[in-house]
Amino acid sequence: AQKITQTQPGMFVQEKEAVTLDCTYDTSDQSYGLFWYKQPSSGEMIFLIYQGSYDEQNATEGRYSLNFQKARKSANLVISASQLGDSAMYFCAMRDPSNTGNQFYFGTGTSLTVIP
Amino acid sequence: NAGVTQTPKFQVLKTGQSMTLQCAQDMNHNSMYWYRQDPGMGLRLIYYSASEGTTDKGEVPNGYNVSRLNKREFSLRLESAAPSQTSVYFCAIRKISSYEQYFGPGTRLTVT
Repeated sequence: AQKITQTQPGMFVQEKEAVTLDCTYDTSDQSYGLFWYKQPSSGEMIFLIYQGSYDEQNATEGRYSLNFQKARKSANLVISASQLGDSAMYFCAMRDPSNTGNQFYFGTGTSLTVIP
Repeated sequence: NAGVTQTPKFQVLKTGQSMTLQCAQDMNHNSMYWYRQDPGMGLRLIYYSASEGTTDKGEVPNGYNVSRLNKREFSLRLESAAPSQTSVYFCAIRKISSYEQYFGPGTRLTVT
């Protein structure tokens, strides 16, 4: 079964506008972690933001914030004031501590294009 | 990421050939991971190593073996390459006190 679902294969946003990238997850464990990574066209994977399942506040890192809705099992990434350099693939991921505690699952990604 | 190096950057193999992908880190982190990335599939975990001398299977381990001989290095071996193993392979590291992973630049492997 799919652990991480990203339903938006591609998104467009006007420069300086905010954009939300959707992510839903599936786990029966109470302790887990959610991440977002950025992959520019150059191919490297860049860590953006982390949210623990017990964190009461939504995580924020500069222009990135994670809208965590535990009951809905969603962890959407919000990018404020989009910049041209934000054009990239974005992957949602989950650390699932079931099994041996080190399993990570990634979604299929959302391609974001920022329009000048 | 400057802390994680992967060799080679590119490789072309014929079906049935073997090869080892190397990953090394200079950040003294305990956990190391091997992923593959296929178009439209995101990243999938092949194997991981929580500490020196230990390895565990991830989501897609079939056709691969790994070796963690010391804290710095974690290698991925394809004993008999198949076209289905054509992919981009990423090594990643993680320190015990946090959960974010830091990735190497990737190895693009083509099996013909």
